[in-house]
Amino acid sequence: GAVVSQHPSRVICKSGTSVKIECRSLDFQATTMFWYRQFPKQSLMLMATSNEGSKATYEQGVEKDKFLINHASLTLSTLTVTSAHPEDSSFYICSARDRASGNSPLHFGNGTRLTVT
Amino acid sequence: AQSVTQLDSHVSVSEGTPVLLRCNYSSSYSPSLFWYVQHPNKGLQLLLKYTSAATLVKGINGFEAEFKKSETSFHLTKPSAHMSDAAEYFCVVRPTRAGTASKLTFGTGTRLQVTL
Repeated sequence: GAVVSQHPSRVICKSGTSVKIECRSLDFQATTMFWYRQFPKQSLMLMATSNEGSKATYEQGVEKDKFLINHASLTLSTLTVTSAHPEDSSFYICSARDRASGNSPLHFGNGTRLTVT
Repeated sequence: AQSVTQLDSHVSVSEGTPVLLRCNYSSSYSPSLFWYVQHPNKGLQLLLKYTSAATLVKGINGFEAEFKKSETSFHLTKPSAHMSDAAEYFCVVRPTRAGTASKLTFGTGTRLQVTL
């Protein structure tokens, strides 16, 4: 089945530094990928929609200058948390849809646990 | 507009007994509905989906769900719980209106605990 690989699975960084998270579709092409944030014991909140070759679409309240998204190819999207602060600590999950499968479900990565100290 | 309500934040069952996780939805358009499972510190795995075909949907690991339009429900069931079923379960709705097909709305999740 379709596999989405997310890397790293865990990262600890110091306050003020930037962290890049990668999301790859391993066996399919994805023109659109999605980035979610999940707080402990809560549901997923959509942060932004990443579109291959164009600018990402951010949800209301999400700072685009803080959460930089790049979708340079049909199999890779990256989320960079810039100048990270402890309040950015969270679980980040990406998802993607196979562009060849029409209205198929989204496939999710295994998530990245970010801890900012 | 669309929304999803998972009525129970936590469900506990004994191993070998039936599982029922409740989900109600609202949608301005004919929705697609999904159940995903999430194990600790993992991403989401699709259990099953309803996309306007058969109202009784069978998924992986013995789970199934029935779409009831009159009740706006999509409850998840399994005849016999296994210890490995302990996880967080999310009910998800997606409208089928053109241009919004990808935007998912997640329920708040139900944590399933399975005891011996």
